Amino acid sequence: DGGITQSPKYLFRKEGQNVTLSCEQNLNHDAMYWYRQDPGQGLRLIYYSQIVNDFQKGDIAEGYSVSREKKESFPLTVTSAQKNPTAFYLCASSFGGNQPQHFGDGTRLSIL
Amino acid sequence: DQQVKQNSPSLSVQEGRISILNCDYTNSMFDYFLWYKKYPAEGPTFLISISSIKDKNEDGRFTVFLNKSAKHLSLHIVPSQPGDSAVYFCAATLTGNQFYFGTGTSLTVIP
Repeated sequence: DGGITQSPKYLFRKEGQNVTLSCEQNLNHDAMYWYRQDPGQGLRLIYYSQIVNDFQKGDIAEGYSVSREKKESFPLTVTSAQKNPTAFYLCASSFGGNQPQHFGDGTRLSIL
Repeated sequence: DQQVKQNSPSLSVQEGRISILNCDYTNSMFDYFLWYKKYPAEGPTFLISISSIKDKNEDGRFTVFLNKSAKHLSLHIVPSQPGDSAVYFCAATLTGNQFYFGTGTSLTVIP
């Protein structure tokens, strides 16, 4: 079955640490996205990538970094520079352009 | 600055009746609009979309209406079923690169 896999489902980070969230898709999608959801807010775009080895900042990229070395994978690193990292993180993929995005089930990140 | 707004955080409807979820946007250049459904602890699932060249798109019990002059989008669910209880997000895009999401409306369908 094709889909998007995010791991882990829950993640805890100590202050000052970097942490990497995994996102893998086997839908043969070209585009991949990372969103952040906070309580009472919509999904806000962190980074997106339309093709391998290329990515662009979204509205809230500060304190985050990404890589796109393979079509299937788009990991997100939450760095220590992100001052308020506690949130629900969602990864999505699509064929690009005006096509619906398919989402993973998310990773909930908490700070210890 | 919220470019896509869902002003009703919640909505309750009797089973069998119509559910109407609303969404407003500010950017008249948006050319593609979508609705997603989300259950707790899961990612959103695509429901239905509409291009700006249309004013209506239908898929089974779900119909999306687009009023470009009012910059307003609505989702109609007829008839509503208890399994429709979820949070519904509308989204809009200009180029297909960045998608802007509303804050969601929590729908409860009462049996």
